[in-house]
Amino acid sequence: SQELEQSPQSLIVQEGKNLTINCTSSKTLYGLYWYKQKYGEGLIFLMMLQKGGEEKSHEKITAKLDEKKQQSSLHITASQPSHAGIYLCGADRGVTNAGKSTFGDGTTLTVKP
Amino acid sequence: DTAVSQTPKYLVTQMGNDKSIKCEQNLGHDTMYWYKQDSKKFLKIMFSYNNKELIINETVPNRFSPKSPDKAHLNLHINSLELGDSAVYFCASSQDLGGRSPLHFGNGTRLTVT
Repeated sequence: SQELEQSPQSLIVQEGKNLTINCTSSKTLYGLYWYKQKYGEGLIFLMMLQKGGEEKSHEKITAKLDEKKQQSSLHITASQPSHAGIYLCGADRGVTNAGKSTFGDGTTLTVKP
Repeated sequence: DTAVSQTPKYLVTQMGNDKSIKCEQNLGHDTMYWYKQDSKKFLKIMFSYNNKELIINETVPNRFSPKSPDKAHLNLHINSLELGDSAVYFCASSQDLGGRSPLHFGNGTRLTVT
């Protein structure tokens, strides 16, 4: 089983609508990253969360890490076609697992104009 | 100025052939990685190098051999290619191995084995 599970696997929304993507870990996280991938391109770093309860925002995207550091959510407000892509969460497993960043299986977002 | 660049972008080859993918980063990072993304978009780490030293080899067949001539370069050579090797291979780098710095990814190499 995967260490990071994302939901939903895919999401189709109308432009202007809000949406949330979730990432759940089977183990306590030292930190969590959110990335976005467009077709044919690499992953683009969005945000990193390290403290329980932490929340960060960039433009219309907000990410939160719960107090127990086992779940994160990514919220997009007033979605636009430019938000379309695959969103992946990635885990920081701490120094003992350094270099072994693991990823969720991604959420494919389609935004209809 | 591409931070992490890998070549080629596309690679189509027949079973049994040997091929290489090259990766270079100009970010001054100490750590570089190879990831494999399968058809279901699942991203799995293959290798991790820190200052040219192999740190992680995640149960990858020994047909895959990474080489790091210097800390800005990490190449991947694959021998005797198999159908199951078809995937997108991503090179990435990070400031260090501590896990507290985000990964910077190349645009991927789509390998198709026929």
